[in-house]
Amino acid sequence: SYVLTQPPSVSVAPGKTARITCGGNNIGSKSVHWYQQKPGQAPVLVIYYDSDRPSGIPERFSGSNSGNTATLTISRVEAGDEADYYCQVWDSSSDHRWVFGGGTKLTVL
Amino acid sequence: QVQLVQSGAEVKKPGASVKVSCKASGYTFTSYGISWVRQAPGQGLEWMGWISAYNGNTNYAQKLQGRVTMTTDTSTSTAYMELRSLRSDDTAVYYCARGRGTEQQLPFDYWGQGTLVTVSS
Repeated sequence: SYVLTQPPSVSVAPGKTARITCGGNNIGSKSVHWYQQKPGQAPVLVIYYDSDRPSGIPERFSGSNSGNTATLTISRVEAGDEADYYCQVWDSSSDHRWVFGGGTKLTVL
Repeated sequence: QVQLVQSGAEVKKPGASVKVSCKASGYTFTSYGISWVRQAPGQGLEWMGWISAYNGNTNYAQKLQGRVTMTTDTSTSTAYMELRSLRSDDTAVYYCARGRGTEQQLPFDYWGQGTLVTVSS
């Protein structure tokens, strides 16, 4: 079964750039989606199809995907960006299912 | 505006069943699919399965096969998720989420507020 690996935590100072990685075997051949989840709230889609932003998501959020790593980049980080972030892919290899990464806690110092 | 409103928190005993509802509004219900995702306390997201609101086709996560049933009622634009033979490790917040179209491999653009299901004797 397909596995997505995320670092448990990332810390960044306000105004700096945060990069959250999502590793998977040849993930570059898949479409990666990213969700932001703040405490006590439902997840929110922030990036889909590797690098597209839904309406209402700031341009500070961007994504890339190549080889074995997808990356969510948050520029000019703000205190309000502190949240858990999850990557997601569709695994069509064996049993056709959605796979989530384990999540990364972004801490704004 | 698109909204998914879920039913309230539930407390169940081990071995019981729970049925969570997800009422959609603000869009054409049958033009999108619904996935169910759960999150155990302090843990990550786990996809449980998907149902097409168009034709009722389903796809369940392998580990839940035989215990979960997803249905829709198009007359009320409501999706349901029933989980049977509950165990303590089924304690979680359960979310419904709309896919961006009719096919199951589309990302989730709207989520319900979540329903806490607690399994305890």
